[in-house]
Amino acid sequence: NAGVTQTPKFQVLKTGQSMTLQCAQDMNHEYMSWYRQDPGMGLRLIHYSVGAGITDQGEVPNGYNVSRSTTEDFPLRLLSAAPSQTSVYFCASSYRRAGELFFGEGSRLTVL
Amino acid sequence: GENVEQHPSTLSVQEGDSAVIKCTYSDSASNYFPWYKQELGKGPQLIIDIRSNVGEKKDQRIAVTLNKTAKHFSLHITETQPEDSAVYFCAASEASYDKVIFGPGTSLSVIP
Repeated sequence: NAGVTQTPKFQVLKTGQSMTLQCAQDMNHEYMSWYRQDPGMGLRLIHYSVGAGITDQGEVPNGYNVSRSTTEDFPLRLLSAAPSQTSVYFCASSYRRAGELFFGEGSRLTVL
Repeated sequence: GENVEQHPSTLSVQEGDSAVIKCTYSDSASNYFPWYKQELGKGPQLIIDIRSNVGEKKDQRIAVTLNKTAKHFSLHITETQPEDSAVYFCAASEASYDKVIFGPGTSLSVIP
């Protein structure tokens, strides 16, 4: 039982490049979400999903896309990376809305 | 949308003393208030949560109190130990339960 798995753990991009952060969970959780963590700003919600085929925007969705084709996977796409997207990204899942969030170990992204 | 404030941003206590972290929220319809602990290099983990129909909840050395009228809630850690040193986040869930909004975090240091 791996829980929430994020890849890659570290990534360096140049401005304008695109990439996808992968997130997978093996707990059959319906709810999944992406947060970014920046010093002094806590965890800010980017996008979330309440089930396969359903996604919605969080607090800071601009510059990011998501999809949820399966219950297990919830990838986060950066179409044209900007230095302001340098951050640590966390994926989280929950068995239900307003339930305990299980977080991955994070993906540290640097955009030059 | 929901906005969560958290104080203090940093807190140092002597081992054995108590630590208190306070949070306020803006949306009076929020009714789920979890607390997460994040150790260095890891994802946050739930340590305790409280729902709006309860005023206080305890789990060993940890307690949370909720004042819905004033829209604030607090985390109390008694008999602190060095392993309590971490970043603590409060959060609030909007009435729809779809979004969990986090505060900016408190870095707690327990001095042996």
